[in-house]
Amino acid sequence: EIVLTQSPGTLSLSPGERATLSCRASQSVSASYLAWYQQKPGQAPRLLIYGASSRATGIPDRFSGSGSGTDFTLTISRLEPEDFAVYYCQQFGGSPGTFGQGTKLEI
Amino acid sequence: QVQLVQSGAEVKKPGSSVKVSCKSSGDTFSYYAINWVRQAPGQGLEWMGGIIPIFGTTEYAQKFQGRVTITADDSTATAYMDLSTLRSEDTAVYYCAKSRIVASITDAFDIWGQGTMVTVSS
Repeated sequence: EIVLTQSPGTLSLSPGERATLSCRASQSVSASYLAWYQQKPGQAPRLLIYGASSRATGIPDRFSGSGSGTDFTLTISRLEPEDFAVYYCQQFGGSPGTFGQGTKLEI
Repeated sequence: QVQLVQSGAEVKKPGSSVKVSCKSSGDTFSYYAINWVRQAPGQGLEWMGGIIPIFGTTEYAQKFQGRVTITADDSTATAYMDLSTLRSEDTAVYYCAKSRIVASITDAFDIWGQGTMVTVSS
């Protein structure tokens, strides 16, 4: 099973700042099989990024993804108040598909 | 826009089973995999398995093999997740989620149901 480790566990920033979230895999993952989700309290996750760097439908361009191999990054260029949430990375190149433990982005 | 609507909250006794439904709107149900993901209180996300309705193809996480059964009914555009031999550790919100790509379980999940809380308690 591929283990995804996200860092930091909690990230404290202010609106307008830049956020950089990391996702490290225990073994190489094809970029095609790496996604990022946002989850707010009491809500289902929402797909942000697929294929490591492609934005899902309706996702603002302040969200961007990058990386390859074992190291992937989600960047939010300029934080808006609605961006404070928990973020998960997911891989589905190995079976079973797995999620990271999440990064909480807080004000 | 496809929507997934799940059945309501359940309270179950240890050792029993639960069946959660996930009804899809739109006319593309058969072609896209429906996956099941659970989230224990205050915890992260855990993929359980998925099904491609048009083929009936299923894939399960090994952790749940033998305890989970995922089915789909094309006529009602509804997928089901049946989890047996429940224990307290199965208390969680269960989500269904649609794969982004046609006929592929292993893909990102672009549409999610609202979640179903399953509580296992004696």
